[in-house]
Amino acid sequence: KAGVTQTPRYLIKTRGQQVTLSCSPISGHRSVSWYQQTPGQGLQFLFEYFSETQRNKGNFPGRFSGRQFSNSRSEMNVSTLELGDSALYLCASSLAGSNEQYFGPGTRLTVT
Amino acid sequence: GQQLNQSPQSMFIQEGEDVSMNCTSSSIFNTWLWYKQDPGEGPVLLIALYKAGELTSNGRLTAQFGTTRKDSFLNISASIPSDVGIYFCAGNAGGTSYGKLTFGQGTILTVHP
Repeated sequence: KAGVTQTPRYLIKTRGQQVTLSCSPISGHRSVSWYQQTPGQGLQFLFEYFSETQRNKGNFPGRFSGRQFSNSRSEMNVSTLELGDSALYLCASSLAGSNEQYFGPGTRLTVT
Repeated sequence: GQQLNQSPQSMFIQEGEDVSMNCTSSSIFNTWLWYKQDPGEGPVLLIALYKAGELTSNGRLTAQFGTTRKDSFLNISASIPSDVGIYFCAGNAGGTSYGKLTFGQGTILTVHP
């Protein structure tokens, strides 16, 4: 069974731009969670989607948003990028009702 | 908010030694998980724990769900060079904490051959 895939793997953007990251979960997994990983703050929860609905959200500004499609694939969007948004963005998928999350390789975003 | 304190922050050991690390929380968790992350990759799930007092093994790895539900422990026996990496504990509080894992700061493990 294929693992979680994320595209692109690397991205360089300029301050003020917006970016969209994509995540394809493991087949059969309907829950997708997103995390931001930085050296200073570690792994921080962004939000979780299940059946195209956002069920939970972390403490991030409204510039961070996401969505989930009917095939469980998910995207996250960051608008008006700031230098501090430079991070590894990880998505994880899990079966309905399970806390066992399986992570993708991440998208490394650099904001200049 | 919830925080997980993971210790030690780093460990330098000789191949063949055993390793212990732990995680404590200011609040109760219903699920504890342990992950390993290699450079440039996402975390890989090692062990999941669901019940207070539970002891679970995965090869040379053994983890325990603390009886207070506020802590968890990971032991690695007879370490080998490929054990090098960053180990994270993570917890889920249950209830409406859908899909939210709270992570520890990580333990950086270095194994000298």
